[in-house]
Amino acid sequence: SQTIHQWPATLVQPVGSPLSLECTVEGTSNPNLYWYRQAAGRGLQLLFYSVGIGQISSEVPQNLSASRPQDRQFILSSKKLLLSDSGFYLCAGGTLTNEKLFFGSGTQLSVL
Amino acid sequence: AQSVAQPEDQVNVAEGNPLTVKCTYSVSGNPYLFWYVQYPNRGLQFLLKYITGDNLVKGSYGFEAEFNKSQTSFHLKKPSALVSDSALYFCAVRDGNSGYALNFGKGTSLLVTP
Repeated sequence: SQTIHQWPATLVQPVGSPLSLECTVEGTSNPNLYWYRQAAGRGLQLLFYSVGIGQISSEVPQNLSASRPQDRQFILSSKKLLLSDSGFYLCAGGTLTNEKLFFGSGTQLSVL
Repeated sequence: AQSVAQPEDQVNVAEGNPLTVKCTYSVSGNPYLFWYVQYPNRGLQFLLKYITGDNLVKGSYGFEAEFNKSQTSFHLKKPSALVSDSALYFCAVRDGNSGYALNFGKGTSLLVTP
């Protein structure tokens, strides 16, 4: 089965600092990959998704960007963090053959 | 664009009673519908999905959901709730005709009391 590795689990960063969150996938090839942000333990907001290397779709305009340099690697970045970037970030991956997403364990980002 | 509404922030149920968590959706193409569960400080876990076929879908841990096209609903149900079912439940939708974006609802917190 698929496994999503996501790190770090917790991150505290000052306003204006850069960000790089990495997500890697095991157990499948050519997955669709997703970055979600969950605010205050509730609703998930879709930030980016990718259907292949170098292919990124952005769902909301924001201070963040995503990249997919390899088939099983998905990176969420920012050049300068804002206070409003704080939240719980989840990476997810899945294939169209079973339409089932596997989620990473998340990164709790606090921007101070 | 597709969207999901979960009208209840919280659902309280006594153990052993049936539970229902509501979800309605909006999508222009074919709805692909999903339920996921999240335990505290964790990622989401897949419960069940509706893509096509039988309107009643059975999933993990005794959960089921019924697809109702006329009411654009996909409510999650379980005949007999357990205390361990207490968690945050998310409904999600994808437009099967276009794109790969999977959009989630805001979540419903289920509390099952002994």
